[in-house]
Amino acid sequence: GESVGLHLPTLSVQEGDNSIINCAYSNSASDYFIWYKQESGKGPQFIIDIRSNMDKRQGQRVTVLLNKTVKHLSLQIAATQPGDSAVYFCAPDGGSNYKLTFGKGTLLTVNP
Amino acid sequence: EPEVTQTPSHQVTQMGQEVILRCVPISNHLYFYWYRQILGQKVEFLVSFYNNEISEKSEIFDDQFSVERPDGSNFTLKIRSTKLEDSAMYFCARRRDSSYNSPLHFGNGTRLTVT
Repeated sequence: GESVGLHLPTLSVQEGDNSIINCAYSNSASDYFIWYKQESGKGPQFIIDIRSNMDKRQGQRVTVLLNKTVKHLSLQIAATQPGDSAVYFCAPDGGSNYKLTFGKGTLLTVNP
Repeated sequence: EPEVTQTPSHQVTQMGQEVILRCVPISNHLYFYWYRQILGQKVEFLVSFYNNEISEKSEIFDDQFSVERPDGSNFTLKIRSTKLEDSAMYFCARRRDSSYNSPLHFGNGTRLTVT
């Protein structure tokens, strides 16, 4: 079955540093990928997405890289701020009914 | 602000009782979802709802669960006879448009505590 895993369950960085959160997926049919941020007590919040015909996409302070060969994607956050502290999930969307499959998440802690 | 509103924010119920969780998405959207998240675990898919019908459900979504959109606006999840293990955050989500490659947008969830 499909599985989604994260290489690092926790990541601690200093304010101002760049953060990289990694995600591996198993379903080669996945062709659309979303990163979500979840703060304590809130629902997952959309950050950025990428389609499989791209290998890089940039947003405001965030960049997602997709390597379909090894079924891996990463989320890069530039100049990490304390407000970036949250759990980050990658969610491939492929196949039935456009549902998303979430990984366990990576807890990002930004130290002032 | 989330694009869906969920009520209540916290529900405490006794084992065996029925609960109804509500979601008010923006009207005229077609795809709705329920997910749950047990404390400290990942977000799990429960059910998807398209054009007023269940389109897919997970193994978690057994006969104790049901969904409906009774008035064309509110989207509800009912648990008929709650169990202790139903304690979790329940998130409603909707897809903003009907295109395949578009993100789900989640509400802030209902925390269900079964005692």
